[in-house]
Parts: sequence; C-alpha cells; structure tokens
Amino acid sequence: GENVEQHPSTLSVQEGDSAVIKCTYSDSASNYFPWYKQELGKRPQLIIDIRSNVGEKKDQRIAVTLNKTAKHFSLHITETQPEDSAVYFCAASSQSGGGADGLTFGKGTHLIIQP
Amino acid sequence: EPEVTQTPSHQVTQMGQEVILRCVPISNHLYFYWYRQILGQKVEFLVSFYNNEISEKSEIFDDQFSVERPDGSNFTLKIRSTKLEDSAMYFCASQPRGLGTEAFFGQGTRLTVV
Repeated sequence: GENVEQHPSTLSVQEGDSAVIKCTYSDSASNYFPWYKQELGKRPQLIIDIRSNVGEKKDQRIAVTLNKTAKHFSLHITETQPEDSAVYFCAASSQSGGGADGLTFGKGTHLIIQP
Repeated sequence: EPEVTQTPSHQVTQMGQEVILRCVPISNHLYFYWYRQILGQKVEFLVSFYNNEISEKSEIFDDQFSVERPDGSNFTLKIRSTKLEDSAMYFCASQPRGLGTEAFFGQGTRLTVV
C-alpha cells in the first residue's frame, strides 16, 4: 500500500518568514495530494490540494508543488502569521478503483510561528 | 455551511464493551470514511463506504469493526469488543464524489477505553 513520509516533525519560524514542509510517497499510482491543517483538539481541514496533472498550485500565501518523477510534494507558506501555528498533514490517495479511496497521511508537522 | 457531525463527542467505555460511533455526513455526499487518530499521532485510514458497501479497508479494520448506513443519513462505526489500544479520536469524513475531491471531516469522537 501507499506510504507517506513527512518532514520535519517540528518547524519553528519567525513571524513573517516562510515555512516549507516536504512529503514523499511510494505509490506511483497516487494522483491526489491534499494538505490538511489541524488545530489543537479540532478536526483536520483542507487548506490546499493538488492533482498529478499539475506541477504547482497557489492560493494566496499557500502553495504546493508536486514532482511526480521524484514522488515528492511540498507545502510552502509565505509571510507566516501566528494563526498559521498548527499541525499540518500531507496525504496521498492511491487508486484501488471505485473512487472511494482512503487517504494515507504523513505523520504531521507541528508548525510554530514565533512572534 | 454544511458540516459532518459526529456523536458523541466523547465516549468512555469499559474494555470488552461494544461501542457505536455515529456520524451524519453532508447530505448530498456519496462517499464516506472512518479514520482514527491516536493522541499525538497521524490520522489513519480505517474504511471507506460507497453505494451501501465497503469499498476499501485498512489492516486496522479487523473483524472487531463494522460500519453501517442504516437509514440513508447516519453512518455508524461499531467496535464489538473494545481494547485499550482502541482509545483514539475517531473521525468520520464524507466526499461529494470520488477520487480527487475534498474530504470533509467531522469534529471527531474521542473514545477512551478503560
């Protein structure tokens, strides 16, 4: 099955600086890669996603890049703000047919924005 | 904005007891999922459900687990004989369509087995 590795496990940046979180996946059939933000005690919420036919996607301060050849994808947050502090999970879905494919999550990155 | 809702928010049960966790997915969604998250760890896929049957299940989803969609709105996860290691946050999620669409998560049920 799919295996997703995520680094780093903790990332501390100064407010206003950029943060980059990296993930690799193992299943070359995976073609959907969402990123979820989870605040303490709350549900995971989608912040951005990318499909395998796209190399980069941007939404305001957040961008995701995908390298299918190398099987890695990254989340970039620019001009970080205190409210960006949370745990971020990358995920991938591997095709098993039928469309109801579960997400395989990385272990998460605890992003800490220092004021 | 429509939300996935889960009940109860917290369940404490004795080891060996059966528990049923309940979810109401977003009404026009077709795909349903259960995930669990042991405290401080990653979210793990348990099972997916589409067209009134299980589509995919992980190795965690053994014979102790079952899912049902009894009445077209609720989606339940049953754990037949709970173990201490079943203690976790259980998230329900639903998607409007299949692969490549956003999965919306419920707020979770915290299960504590004592």
